[in-house]
Amino acid sequence: EVQLLESGGGLVQPGGSLRLSCAASGFSFTYAMTWVRQAPGKGLEWVAAIGGSGGSTYYADSVKGRFTISRDNSKNTLYLQMNSLSAEDTAVYYCARDPGVVPVHYFDYWGQGTLVTVSS
Amino acid sequence: EIVLTQSPGTLSLSPGERATLSCRASQSVSINYLAWYQQKPGQAPRLLIYGASNRATGIPDRFSGSGSGTDFSLTISRLEPEDFAVYYCQQYGTSLRTFGQGTKVEIK
Repeated sequence: EVQLLESGGGLVQPGGSLRLSCAASGFSFTYAMTWVRQAPGKGLEWVAAIGGSGGSTYYADSVKGRFTISRDNSKNTLYLQMNSLSAEDTAVYYCARDPGVVPVHYFDYWGQGTLVTVSS
Repeated sequence: EIVLTQSPGTLSLSPGERATLSCRASQSVSINYLAWYQQKPGQAPRLLIYGASNRATGIPDRFSGSGSGTDFSLTISRLEPEDFAVYYCQQYGTSLRTFGQGTKVEIK
């Protein structure tokens, strides 16, 4: 059974940093992976994606230069390092699987999400 | 960037009725690379449809997708109580994936 389990969310002050993790199980961790976020009461926003080998990364303009997506295939874990956080980054962050090695697809499996709140 | 516009914003229907949701793209979606998701309160989105018309694993056949180019639709033939939720369309085919703003299907 495919499982994605996010962790690392919490309350952080504006300008602060946070690192999210997504532990994957139940499949070969060679698929492309993506982070999608959802602000409270709002829709879904694609944030960042990474290829299956980790060699290629992609970012939404809203997070480019502040967020870094990475993965450790030996640990079956996806990461999102978030720096220079602002209130606009407050959201539930989901990790999701691309059904391919290149991140250009839909998302066939999702984690349950982890809440990031940026507030003083 | 392809912008997806969903309509209506809210659809008020009764169980057993037919629901038709629309998703319009600002430019043609290549090779019908369009997906639909269902999201219930407090839950992660669930993939329903990919490739505009292919049902994902385990999705009941009352859900169907259609369309091409810039106009797509999701139809729920007979609404079950568990179908009342928010539905999102999403285009793909490049690394820059985008979602529509969602359509809420609520009980009338």
